[in-house]
Amino acid sequence: QVLLVQSGAEVKKPGASVNISCKASGYTFTSYYILWVRQAPGRGLEWVGIINPSGGSTTYAQKFQGRVTVTRDTSTSTLYMELSSLRSEDTAVYYCARRGYSSYYFYMDVWGKGTTVTVSS
Amino acid sequence: DIQMTQSPSSLSASVGDRVTITCRASQSIGSYLNWYQQRPGKAPKLLIYAASRLQSGVPSRFSGSGSGTDFTLTISSLQPEDFATYYCQQSFITPPYTFGQGTKLDTK
Repeated sequence: QVLLVQSGAEVKKPGASVNISCKASGYTFTSYYILWVRQAPGRGLEWVGIINPSGGSTTYAQKFQGRVTVTRDTSTSTLYMELSSLRSEDTAVYYCARRGYSSYYFYMDVWGKGTTVTVSS
Repeated sequence: DIQMTQSPSSLSASVGDRVTITCRASQSIGSYLNWYQQRPGKAPKLLIYAASRLQSGVPSRFSGSGSGTDFTLTISSLQPEDFATYYCQQSFITPPYTFGQGTKLDTK
C-alpha cells in the first residue's frame, strides 16, 4: 500500500521556522517526485514546491523563494519541508503529494493527510 | 503562468442529479488537465487525469471531457458522498502546478 505519512500539527510564533516531514512507503522512493501543496483556512490549493528524491533537485513557487527548503533522506524515505520567517498568512494545512505519471501526463495520485501549521503570537 | 478558472464557484444539487463543473485554462493545455475531489477535513483525491482518464478505483459516474482551454467534470448521478469541493489542475507547463479556485458542491 502506497502511503505518505506526515508529521503532526505545529504551532509557531511569527518569525519562527517550521519543519514538516513526510515519510513515504509502499513504492520505490526515488522513482517519483514529491510536491508540497498548502491550503489556508477556507481557501484553495496552492503549490509550494517539488523535489526529485533521486537527485534531490528542487523547484519552488516564486512566492516562497528564499523562505522554503525541501530536502529528502533516502535512507529513511522521508521528505522534509522547512518554511522560515513565518507570518500569520502561512497558517494552513500543508500536504505532501506524490507526482504520478502515465506517458507524458503527470498528476498527484497519492496524498498525505496533511499537517496543520498555525502561526500565532 | 497558466491560470485556471472554474465555474461555478459553488453549486447546489440533490442526490441523483447530473452535475457538470467547468474549468477553463488561460491558454491551450491540450489534455493536460486533472480533477481532484476534496471532502471537508480530508486531503484531495485524484479523480481524473489527462482530461478524461478515470483514476483506478474511482466510480464510473465521474467523467471528464475537453481539450485545449475548456474542460468539464460530470457526475452522472450524484451520490451522498459526492458532496465535496472539486479542483482542476493543469499539468501542461509545470512548474508552477496551478489549480482552479475550486467548486463547492453542496446539497440543495
